[in-house]
Amino acid sequence: GIQVEQSPPDLILQEGANSTLRCNFSDSVNNLQWFHQNPWGQLINLFYIPSGTKQNGRLSATTVATERYSLLYISSSQTTDSGVYFCAVEGRTSYGKLTFGQGTILTVHP
Amino acid sequence: SAVISQKPSRDICQRGTSLTIQCQVDSQVTMMFWYRQQPGQSLTLIATANQGSEATYESGFVIDKFPISRPNLTFSTLTVSNMSPEDSSIYLCSVEEGARGSSYNEQFFGPGTRLTVL
Repeated sequence: GIQVEQSPPDLILQEGANSTLRCNFSDSVNNLQWFHQNPWGQLINLFYIPSGTKQNGRLSATTVATERYSLLYISSSQTTDSGVYFCAVEGRTSYGKLTFGQGTILTVHP
Repeated sequence: SAVISQKPSRDICQRGTSLTIQCQVDSQVTMMFWYRQQPGQSLTLIATANQGSEATYESGFVIDKFPISRPNLTFSTLTVSNMSPEDSSIYLCSVEEGARGSSYNEQFFGPGTRLTVL
């Protein structure tokens, strides 16, 4: 099956700093999503981005499908950005099934 | 986006017992999925639940341990049977918005059920 690797596994920032999270995947995809899991376990949809670039406030994401990677940019980080960020992909023949990366644990200090 | 609720939100159970988790969606959806997140780990797909057909299980998950029902297009249940401490996890359901075969297939997740087995 498709493999998903996220880096870095852990990231510690001071409030106001910028960061880039990376997601590499091993095969062509129908779907790629970025999620933020808050401390209560809720998965928050950040981006649906199988290709191209999107922006939402301080967050933006870029997926280069031909090179099989996606990047999530967080600018001017805030303490509320802390949590786990997951990349998940649906392979071409996966029929809706998402494969998740191992996540990036982000800690933002005041 | 679809609004998804799960019951219970959390539970503490004794080993050997079973727990049924409910997932309710506020709109009709074709595909529903059940995921497990073990402590400190990522999410792993348990099974796909489509209305009118048997659930399809992923490798490592079996129907006897995780029976699933999908009686209509807005509801599904997952039962965790004969529980052991290793079943302590967050269980999440998800739904896919957008028609299969279309160019849009975003998934949304319920709030999860946090299960602790003693």
